[in-house]
Amino acid sequence: DSGVTQTPKHLITATGQRVTLRCSPRSGDLSVYWYQQSLDQGLQFLIQYYNGEERAKGNILERFSAQQFPDLHSELNLSSLELGDSALYFCASSRGETKVGELFFGEGSRLTVL
Amino acid sequence: AQSVTQLGSHVSVSEGALVLLRCNYSSSVPPYLFWYVQYPNQGLQLLLKYTSAATLVKGINGFEAEFKKSETSFHLTKPSAHMSDAAEYFCAVLGSAGNQFYFGTGTSLTVIP
Repeated sequence: DSGVTQTPKHLITATGQRVTLRCSPRSGDLSVYWYQQSLDQGLQFLIQYYNGEERAKGNILERFSAQQFPDLHSELNLSSLELGDSALYFCASSRGETKVGELFFGEGSRLTVL
Repeated sequence: AQSVTQLGSHVSVSEGALVLLRCNYSSSVPPYLFWYVQYPNQGLQLLLKYTSAATLVKGINGFEAEFKKSETSFHLTKPSAHMSDAAEYFCAVLGSAGNQFYFGTGTSLTVIP
């Protein structure tokens, strides 16, 4: 158990809909990262937050947004969903922003868009 | 810019045989390198990390990796494969800003009884 909690574990929805994925980082971790894992594109970095502030942005679509709340949990919002958004979405956390930091991953939220 | 390349998306070995998973990196600064493992229906977990100390890094479950600057490689090895090693393995490098990890495309390891 990594200590990172993601909900829901599975989600099935229709095209055009909006969903919210939630992540609770390990106790004491200030950084939260979101990744998308799909068969054709591998593990893609989406966005990172550190102590409530956005710190890095990767290949995140404009239809997607995220935030980190004062209690350090994070939410990833996916809107106007398309079939191609079907993927496994991982949240990971780390203690801070040190170069020796490592990521602790949750078990992921599997999104299926029909 | 930092990136990693994993050679071979699928590797099969016999139980008891040597495991060798290849990773080459590209980095404009001294890299911080990681190997993660993903078991079916689970998140990624850290196997080992290189942070510019010893070039031979030992990780969990008998895995180790050697940092070779001259070859820009960080290959993962294990002397004797177990059935339980069957999983997806990802090599990763930490970006120069220190806040972004770049993952390879992964190598799926199959262990044949």
